[in-house]
Amino acid sequence: DSGVTQTPKHLITATGQRVTLRCSPRSGDLSVYWYQQSLDQGLQFLIQYYNGEERAKGNILERFSAQQFPDLHSELNLSSLELGDSALYFCASSVSLVTGELFFGEGSRLTVL
Amino acid sequence: DQQVKQNSPSLSVQEGRISILNCDYTNSMFDYFLWYKKYPAEGPTFLISISSIKDKNEDGRFTVFLNKSAKHLSLHIVPSQPGDSAVYFCAASSGAGSYQLTFGKGTKLSVIP
Repeated sequence: DSGVTQTPKHLITATGQRVTLRCSPRSGDLSVYWYQQSLDQGLQFLIQYYNGEERAKGNILERFSAQQFPDLHSELNLSSLELGDSALYFCASSVSLVTGELFFGEGSRLTVL
Repeated sequence: DQQVKQNSPSLSVQEGRISILNCDYTNSMFDYFLWYKKYPAEGPTFLISISSIKDKNEDGRFTVFLNKSAKHLSLHIVPSQPGDSAVYFCAASSGAGSYQLTFGKGTKLSVIP
């Protein structure tokens, strides 16, 4: 158990819909990262937040957005969903910005039909 | 453009023998490298890392070697155990402050009893 909690674990929805994925980082971790893993792909970095502020952006689509709340939990919002958005979405956290050791949650599997 | 490549999608090794997983990278700015292990239905788990100022790092049965001139790193597992069967991801980052890791697609290791 990494200490990072993601909900929901599984989600099935239709094209054009909007979903929200939630992540609670490990206790004390200030940094939250979101990654997407599509079929047969490595993990693709989407976005990072540190103590409530956006720190870095990766290959995140404009239809996607995220935020980190004062209690440090984070939400990833995916809108106007397309079939290609079907993937595993991982959240990770770390206590600082100077280590690459990220602690990953179990992921949220999104299926868009 | 894939900056971190794991060219072997899968690898089978006999229990007790050495497992060698390889990773190549193209970005000269990468200065920190990590290996993550992932079991089915779980998030990736940090295994071992190496800074670009070193060429070897060892932790128990796991050793990572870095060849900067060849832009190549490898993970050695000795001796391999059935519990090591998992997908191994190589990851790289550049600069402190934002650990947006760039991941390879992973190598599935099967250790045969």
